[in-house]
Amino acid sequence: ILNVEQSPQSLHVQEGDSTNFTCSFPSSNFYALHWYRWETAKSPEALFVMTLNGDEKKKGRISATLNTKEGYSYLYIKGSQPEDSATYLCAFISDGNNRLAFGKGNQVVVIP
Amino acid sequence: EAGVTQSPTHLIKTRGQQVTLRCSPISGHTSVYWYQQALGLGLQFLLWYDEGEERNRGNFPPRFSGRQFPNYSSELNVNALELEDSALYLCASSPGLAVYNEQFFGPGTRLTVL
Repeated sequence: ILNVEQSPQSLHVQEGDSTNFTCSFPSSNFYALHWYRWETAKSPEALFVMTLNGDEKKKGRISATLNTKEGYSYLYIKGSQPEDSATYLCAFISDGNNRLAFGKGNQVVVIP
Repeated sequence: EAGVTQSPTHLIKTRGQQVTLRCSPISGHTSVYWYQQALGLGLQFLLWYDEGEERNRGNFPPRFSGRQFPNYSSELNVNALELEDSALYLCASSPGLAVYNEQFFGPGTRLTVL
């Protein structure tokens, strides 16, 4: 069983503030890490697929970093907006079986 | 381009019954994945189909099964329903291996077992 931990579980952020949260995963036999955003009443939407240690990816005000040796990834939101309110899921692939192991998510509420 | 579609949207069944959920992937995607999100839990991997074959399954009992058709659409079947099968079932598709490719999710089917 792959243990993917996300912290904090939930957070409230003032509009305009920046925030970040963590995804921890087993560091052995790493293949890939995915980040998804899941807004209420919508489907999860892919943000990033990261495969290399030291990877940094950016999409608008959201960015992510990856450290495969220590087993963590950070997701950053710069200048949070109400539309950033969502649950952010990370998912880990440990081998070539193409199977994503999801964390429980970081629930973000941006307060106007 | 149409996204991943799922049917039905909601479903209510009683214990012991059987249910079939359906999923149509994005055109051109050969891989279909099924996930379960039960209350209080994260998304749990159920099944992966590619090119009509079951490629991998999660830690679920055999009463969870499915298939993929020649047009790459897929069905998830759950037999002998139990109360704990109440969950949101999500289908996703991808153009290739998840190691390199994001998954595109459907809107889900909410199953309630009474």
